[in-house]
Amino acid sequence: AQTVTQSQPEMSVQEAETVTLSCTYDTSESDYYLFWYKQPPSRQMILVIRQEAYKQQNATENRFSVNFQKAAKSFSLKISDSQLGDAAMYFCAYRAGLQGAQKLVFGQGTRLTINP
Amino acid sequence: EAQVTQNPRYLITVTGKKLTVTCSQNMNHEYMSWYRQDPGLGLRQIYYSMNVEVTDKGDVPEGYKVSRKEKRNFPLILESPSPNQTSLYFCASSPHLRANYGYTFGSGTRLTVV
Repeated sequence: AQTVTQSQPEMSVQEAETVTLSCTYDTSESDYYLFWYKQPPSRQMILVIRQEAYKQQNATENRFSVNFQKAAKSFSLKISDSQLGDAAMYFCAYRAGLQGAQKLVFGQGTRLTINP
Repeated sequence: EAQVTQNPRYLITVTGKKLTVTCSQNMNHEYMSWYRQDPGLGLRQIYYSMNVEVTDKGDVPEGYKVSRKEKRNFPLILESPSPNQTSLYFCASSPHLRANYGYTFGSGTRLTVV
């Protein structure tokens, strides 16, 4: 079964600094997708960024970028120029392309605090 | 506005009293799913549906029921709630099973069973 592990329950960063959230996953599939979701205090699940496993280029969305290491099964999220509005719970998630495509598998979450 | 609507947002109930959490999407999505979120466990899938009248169990289906009589609606039913079902629940949808982007989530239902 696929699993996703976020080993940092909590992280904090100074406003305007850069922070990296870690995520590792386990799968025997070659076709899959990876996601980072943000959950602010409003509880809404907001898609931050996604990565297709077949793409070697790391995905980037404005201040958010990923470091996708397929061989190491690692998918970290880098947030540059951290802002107060980035404070939230962040979830890493995996979805298989074929077998197991019926669900997202989530990590445990990392709570990010931004210090002004 | 394209969205997934869940109701209620908060619910406190007593053990054994049947309840239904509603979920509706206005995007004509085929795929819908329910998740529960618990501290330290992330989100886990309860049930999913690939289309009308097609539903299947996720990883934690015990104590829950679902139905998909219409494409837009996917209610979650707890026929005899117990305190271990106290959790944050999310409904999610996607155009189809293998859409290569993330799901659209509802705003969550905080359920407390006493």
